[in-house]
Parts: sequence; structure tokens; C-alpha cells
Amino acid sequence: GDSVTQMEGPVTLSEEAFLTINCTYTATGYPSLFWYVQYPGEGLQLLLKATKADDKGSNKGFEATYRKETTSFHLEKGSVQVSDSAVYFCALYKIIFGKGTRLHILP
Amino acid sequence: EAGVVQSPRYKIIEKKQPVAFWCNPISGHNTLYWYLQNLGQGPELLIRYENEEAVDDSQLPKDRFSAERLKGVDSTLKIQPAELGDSAVYLCASSSPGSAEAFFGQGTRLTVV
Repeated sequence: GDSVTQMEGPVTLSEEAFLTINCTYTATGYPSLFWYVQYPGEGLQLLLKATKADDKGSNKGFEATYRKETTSFHLEKGSVQVSDSAVYFCALYKIIFGKGTRLHILP
Repeated sequence: EAGVVQSPRYKIIEKKQPVAFWCNPISGHNTLYWYLQNLGQGPELLIRYENEEAVDDSQLPKDRFSAERLKGVDSTLKIQPAELGDSAVYLCASSSPGSAEAFFGQGTRLTVV
């Protein structure tokens, strides 16, 4: 069946470091892919999305490219900030979520 | 525009008691989702509605869980009787026709003691 696998956390980085959170998926066809973020004490929010192969989603300095050849949708940011500390979820369609990756950014 | 509204935000009940959660989706969103989120895990779909029809309830434990979406707007998720293992956050989300994005409510944190 369809599934999403993302890297386990927690991930701890210093401010201004480069971030990569890996996400791979298993699905038939070419599903829409999403990254959601959950800040402490808040609900899930859509961070970015890509609806077809080779699309790049971007928002708030984060980017992810839909790679059908590697069935991946890795999240990247060139310079993280303390305010990026949150839990990040990779998702397939709007239905199947990864387990989440907790990110801690140290000042 | 108001987002997805869920109530209550928190609920503590004793095991074997019934409990109900309510969700009001964003106006105009015909698709409504209920998810279960255990601590340290991602959301897991319980049921998906298209208007008033449940189109995917394969993951809903039907022996104790039930849901309804009368008139295709608000929805209620019920557990009867609750068990200790039901302690989790119950999330509601909605999306508009043809949209790739789901909008989530704040969730209801259930604690069964």
C-alpha cells in the first residue's frame, strides 16, 4: 500500500546551518506531495506542496523537489533559524503522513 | 475567514465512558477528514467525507467509533466506550473541491483515565 518514510528525529542544528529532512514515498502513479509543519502548541500547517513530478515547492525559505525517479521529496533550507524549531511531516495526498521529524535549532 | 474549528480542545474522561468531538470545517469545503495523532507519530486517517458521504472509513474502528456529517457541513466523531488506548489528539481537517491542500483544526486532546 501507499506509504511515507521520513528520517527520524530529533534533528539538532545550530542557527544558520543547512537543513535536509529526507522523505521517500511508495505509491501508485504520481501523487501530490506535501510538507506540513507543527509549531509548539499550534495545529498542523501546510508548509509547501508539489503536485507533479519535477515540481519544486517553496515557502519561508524551505524548498522540496518532487523526484519521481527516486520517489523522494526531501525538505531543505539553506540557513535555519531558531523560529524553525518544530515538527515537520511529509505527506502523500492529504491522507498519508510520515511519523514526523522534530527539529531543534540552537541559537 | 475562520479556520477549521474543533471543540473541545481538551477532554478527560474515565474509561468505558462515551465522548464526542465536534468539527466545523471552513465554509465551502466539501471534504472533511478526521485523523488520530498519537504522541510522537504522524496523523492517521480515520474517516474522510465528501459532502455527507463517508467515502473512506476503512481505518475507523467501527466497534466503538462512529462519525456523522449531517447536511455535509459540521461533523461529530464519537467513541463509545472509550478505552485507555484511545488517549490521543483527534484532528479534523477540510479541503475545497479540487484543492491539493487540507486545512487542519487545533485538535482535541483526549485523555482516558
